[in-house]
Amino acid sequence: EVQLVESGGRLVQPGGSLRLSCAASGFTFTDFALGWVRQASVKGLEWVSSINLSGDRTYYADSVKGRFTISRDDSKNTLYLQMDSLRAEDTAVYYCARGGRGAIVYFDYWGQGLLVSVSS
Amino acid sequence: DIQMTQSPSTLSASVGDRVTITCRASQSISRWLAWYQQKPGKAPKLLIYKASSLESGVPSRFSGSGSGTEFTLTISSLQPDDFATYYCQNYDLYPLTFGGGTKVEIK
Repeated sequence: EVQLVESGGRLVQPGGSLRLSCAASGFTFTDFALGWVRQASVKGLEWVSSINLSGDRTYYADSVKGRFTISRDDSKNTLYLQMDSLRAEDTAVYYCARGGRGAIVYFDYWGQGLLVSVSS
Repeated sequence: DIQMTQSPSTLSASVGDRVTITCRASQSISRWLAWYQQKPGKAPKLLIYKASSLESGVPSRFSGSGSGTEFTLTISSLQPDDFATYYCQNYDLYPLTFGGGTKVEIK
């Protein structure tokens, strides 16, 4: 069974940093691209970032470019999102999701989501 | 960036109704479109990919069609479990973009 379990969400002050983790199981981790999608309260879905299956290509939404860094540790089957210079508008539920084998993907499995709150 | 526009934003329907949701892209995305269903407090669930391919395990009452800039998601006979919000997603180009969502409510 494919499972994606996020961790690391919490309340952080504006300008602060946070690292989200997503532990994957139930599939061959290195066969798939991965990504993060967020959803602010009662809002729609917003793609944040993706990383290809080999980890050498990363993609970011303009809203987070230069502040967030996506990475993967294939030895630990874990996806990360390093979030720096956080702003109030980054407050959202963040989902980890599994992409396909291509460079540009849809997401077939999602984690349960975790809340990141940015507030003073 | 490719803008994805869904209509309607809210749809009231009854069990057994045929429901159609439209998603329009601001430029051609060929057939690189996915549809998701989301229930309150839950993660999105993939329904359709490549415009019309049904994800494994998804009931056959769901179907997708379209190409280029106009796409539709159809539920042939609405069931109680289908009341949810539906999103389309472009995966032709980065940045990946989602439609604003269509909430299907009980009439």
